[in-house]
Amino acid sequence: LAKTTQPISMDSYEGQEVNITCSHNNIATNDYITWYQQFPSQGPRFIIQGYKTKVTNEVASLFIPADRKSSTLSLPRVSLSDTAVYYCLVGDLVNYGQNFVFGPGTRLSVLP
Amino acid sequence: DVKVTQSSRYLVKRTGEKVFLECVQDMDHENMFWYRQDPGLGLRLIYFSYDVKMKEKGDIPEGYSVSREKKERFSLILESASTNQTSMYLCASTQENTRDSYGYTFGSGTRLTVV
Repeated sequence: LAKTTQPISMDSYEGQEVNITCSHNNIATNDYITWYQQFPSQGPRFIIQGYKTKVTNEVASLFIPADRKSSTLSLPRVSLSDTAVYYCLVGDLVNYGQNFVFGPGTRLSVLP
Repeated sequence: DVKVTQSSRYLVKRTGEKVFLECVQDMDHENMFWYRQDPGLGLRLIYFSYDVKMKEKGDIPEGYSVSREKKERFSLILESASTNQTSMYLCASTQENTRDSYGYTFGSGTRLTVV
């Protein structure tokens, strides 16, 4: 299993861009990188997924360098409602149950 | 909107009781999962199922069992509830193993307290 490391917590202010980096040095060839967001008392919610280079959707962007040993989730112009825990997961999508491990995540606090 | 529904939001049970946590998904997903989440420990996989009547142990299966009689329903059973099983329980599902999938869809969770 590809182990991931991400900061335990981050603070930001409303309107700023937030970048959360995840390290996954032993990522395998077939592994994808997926990010989830979790609000208190709710289940995690899928944000974005990628394999290489850059992926963008209406919520976030995901930057993956050529060596794929890290990835960066970018949240543009955060608001108070973006305060949540963000999880980085790495694994082969073909074997979901066996491959994905949720670490402690990054607790993002957005301040007014 | 796709959904994973957990039958109870909050549950209080007594030590030694047999507890059933129910989870239903309406997305025709093959894979279903049960996690528990505790402060400082993240989400830990209890059991998962990739097909009807199939089940696989996760990282912490002790004290739990599961049942998947129908594709849309995955039940977690605490055979004899203990206080150390007080936790938030999260059910999730994913579609058939494919790189076009969009990850887990989680339910809202069941906060179980065993007294």
